[in-house]
Amino acid sequence: ETGVTQSPTHLIKTRGQQVTLRCSSQSGHNTVSWYQQALGQGPQFIFQYYREEENGRGNFPPRFSGLQFPNYSSELNVNALELDDSALYLCASRGGSSYNSPLHFGNGTRLTVT
Amino acid sequence: QKEVEQNSGPLSVPEGAIASLNCTYSDQGSQSFFWYRQYSGKSPELIMFIYSNGDKEDGRFTAQLNKASQYVSLLIRDSQPSDSATYLCAVSPGGGYQKVTFGTGTKLQVIP
Repeated sequence: ETGVTQSPTHLIKTRGQQVTLRCSSQSGHNTVSWYQQALGQGPQFIFQYYREEENGRGNFPPRFSGLQFPNYSSELNVNALELDDSALYLCASRGGSSYNSPLHFGNGTRLTVT
Repeated sequence: QKEVEQNSGPLSVPEGAIASLNCTYSDQGSQSFFWYRQYSGKSPELIMFIYSNGDKEDGRFTAQLNKASQYVSLLIRDSQPSDSATYLCAVSPGGGYQKVTFGTGTKLQVIP
């Protein structure tokens, strides 16, 4: 069984640029969530996709956007990068639509904005 | 009031002792509760989940849930230095919108 994979592992961008992060969900999982984790903080919910549609969003501005593809892989796009966007970005997948399903995380993408 | 609250620690326990990690949550409708372990620089790893009031045991780990008190805890028996990590409590509501909310985590240090 293949777990959740994220790419790239590290990324350095300049303020104002745009970035795309990618995630392949675990086999059989149709729900993907994205989280932002700043240093010393817990993961903060960005949004969630279920069967290619966004079905939940946290308190993040519209410059954070995403997609889910028919194979359930997903992208997170961030426009007009700000210094505060520097964080570990985590993708997590879960199977089915049950609220009981735990999240399974990928290894994350470390984004540094200079 | 934060949705999920944890003491940030660090919580220091000697090797072989029981570590007790606590978490409170604000949404009375919460249905699912998860504990994740996160080593420095790594992603969270699921340890346990619990849905019903009471205790759930898995090896050296025991999760305890009290919905009336809106309280969930994790006990680690026979703590090992390799257990040193940040432990994240996560909570999910019922219904179709299944956002999982995390606390800030408790840093555990097991002293050899």
